[in-house]
Amino acid sequence: QKEVEQDPGPLSVPEGAIVSLNCTYSNSAFQYFMWYRQYSRKGPELLMYTYSSGNKEDGRFTAQVDKSSKYISLFIRDSQPSDSATYLCAMSARGGKLIFGQGTELSVKP
Amino acid sequence: GAVVSQHPSWVICKSGTSVKIECRSLDFQATTMFWYRQFPKQSLMLMATSNEGSKATYEQGVEKDKFLINHASLTLSTLTVTSAHPEDSSFYICSARRTSGRGDLETQYFGPGTRLLVL
Repeated sequence: QKEVEQDPGPLSVPEGAIVSLNCTYSNSAFQYFMWYRQYSRKGPELLMYTYSSGNKEDGRFTAQVDKSSKYISLFIRDSQPSDSATYLCAMSARGGKLIFGQGTELSVKP
Repeated sequence: GAVVSQHPSWVICKSGTSVKIECRSLDFQATTMFWYRQFPKQSLMLMATSNEGSKATYEQGVEKDKFLINHASLTLSTLTVTSAHPEDSSFYICSARRTSGRGDLETQYFGPGTRLLVL
């Protein structure tokens, strides 16, 4: 079993839809949770960073962490075609390596 | 911000030659930098962890004599692919972790990547 599981998609939604991306993990030592966006042929770009259970909002993006269920989510409101990319969840224990999910390929259709 | 640059962005070389890729943190100091490799449609694969002033730590299965890493300063790490072969063709991405400052010490900031093609 992988330490971090993420549905690779692809996920296709119409413009304006709410997108929900999810990851589950098995290592209870993970304390730091990140979401990255990666456009084709580019390096990952940090979207959200959190280290506690609960919600964190930044513009159209909301990151949610449920440590009791070992489950994290990223919600994108009012999705735009420019949001079309691969979204990677990543997590680590303190001082540990960053463990990535497989990435979910998202396509937002105009 | 936390900007990481990589140079070159792409390189084509002949089999048997060596290629050096630079990774720089432009607006912060990074004691630790990381080198990843990514194949199409796959997630990032950690190759090695680079610590300023000490030897890099390589992941299992990564040849340290083939992928030479030097972390000469708090803002610069280099990856040299020695005697490159076509199977080394890939997308190489570096990342950097802040040395100090805000509450994001565990976060890695990524460079734009270097696409290597070995003929």
